[in-house]
Amino acid sequence: ELKVEQNPLFLSMQEEKNYTIYCNYSTTSDRLYWYRQDPGKSLESLFVLLSNGAVKQEGRLMASLDTKARLSTLHITAAVHDLSATYFCAVDMRFGAGTRLTVKP
Amino acid sequence: SQTIHQWPATLVQPVGSPLSLECTVEGTSNPNLYWYRQAAGRGLQLLFYSVGIGQISSEVPQNLSASRPQDRQFILSSKKLLLSDSGFYLCAWSVNWGGEAFFGQGTRLTVV
Repeated sequence: ELKVEQNPLFLSMQEEKNYTIYCNYSTTSDRLYWYRQDPGKSLESLFVLLSNGAVKQEGRLMASLDTKARLSTLHITAAVHDLSATYFCAVDMRFGAGTRLTVKP
Repeated sequence: SQTIHQWPATLVQPVGSPLSLECTVEGTSNPNLYWYRQAAGRGLQLLFYSVGIGQISSEVPQNLSASRPQDRQFILSSKKLLLSDSGFYLCAWSVNWGGEAFFGQGTRLTVV
């Protein structure tokens, strides 16, 4: 059974500092997605990572994939308040538990 | 363009009452359809998925059932709700298994 694990589950960030979220999955897969969920809202996709070594960047978020290690990272550069949300990784329609990010001044 | 509609947005139901949540997709044919549940402060649990009309796969045994009476319609039901059925229910579709999921706006169900 596929398992998708994220850590940390909660992250309180200070503005302008850098942080990383980790996503591990238990079986081989050819793609991994990152999604964002704002409080009380639905999910929207951020990135799809399709191959080993893939890197995608949008604004202050950068995601990468290591298929050999079955690991993806979501790196946040110089956190700002509007990044506060819950971030999920997903493989084969299974989602991690989510990482709730809060940015404090 | 494709859109997904899910209703109602919120629902408060007594224990033991029935449930029917509906989801429809527009602008695509033969989508994969999914029902997820998100308990308060928790991750997404895949409840059911369907790759075609009348084809339903259940991920976990529970008090719920799903049906797909039409290509772009997916229904989540229960005959008798339990307190533990409370949560945020999300319908989603994708072109294929493992692809990008597009979510509806969700239904917040509170069983009292």
